[in-house]
Amino acid sequence: VQLVQSGAEVKKPGESLRISCKGSGYTFGNYWISWVRQMPGKGLEWMARIHPSDSNINYSPSFQGRVTVSADKSISIAYLQWSSLKASDTAMYYCVTVIAPPMNDYWGQGTLVTVSS
Amino acid sequence: DIQMTQSPSSLSASVGDRVIITCRSSQSISSSLNWYQQKPGKAPRLLIYAASSLKSGVPSRFSGSGSGTDFTLTISSLQPEDLATYYCQQSYSTPQTFGQGTKVEIK
Repeated sequence: VQLVQSGAEVKKPGESLRISCKGSGYTFGNYWISWVRQMPGKGLEWMARIHPSDSNINYSPSFQGRVTVSADKSISIAYLQWSSLKASDTAMYYCVTVIAPPMNDYWGQGTLVTVSS
Repeated sequence: DIQMTQSPSSLSASVGDRVIITCRSSQSISSSLNWYQQKPGKAPRLLIYAASSLKSGVPSRFSGSGSGTDFTLTISSLQPEDLATYYCQQSYSTPQTFGQGTKVEIK
């Protein structure tokens, strides 16, 4: 089982961005994928999750309206996107899935997003 | 949202010490509590799920306990490789909030 995320991005404020998380080694459509933010030197923040089978989505109120999550089950990829980036979006973003039984978590390697003018 | 509060925020202990980290939720979450370890520059990894179940492959010096609103992560004998930040997370309801983290340093 592996989650592979897209590479680091450097963007300007106001630009749009979509990062990706590709799953392999398991049935992608059967398990939730969550997105987690970690700002520089800070803790983990749960942003949202999506179930690829039916695109059922739950957002954290802290991120609702600021980001959009989606997934394409046919190619086993989940996405996290912004329509207008801010400097405060600078962070590492992880995708993660939990598969059971037995209980196992699988994390992407992280995508570093830097937003700077 | 359910708020998760960890204590302490950081601690320094010697190799072989018993270390206890606590996590409190703002409302009852039954046993829907996970503990993660994050080493510097790495993605987090799950240590404990359902409050007290040890994930396969995790050293047995790690243990978890609690239910309702109060939980603990115990490292029975701290090892040098346990240098990390530890996070609790509730999986009872979305958003699946994390605690603010406890940084463990080795004296």
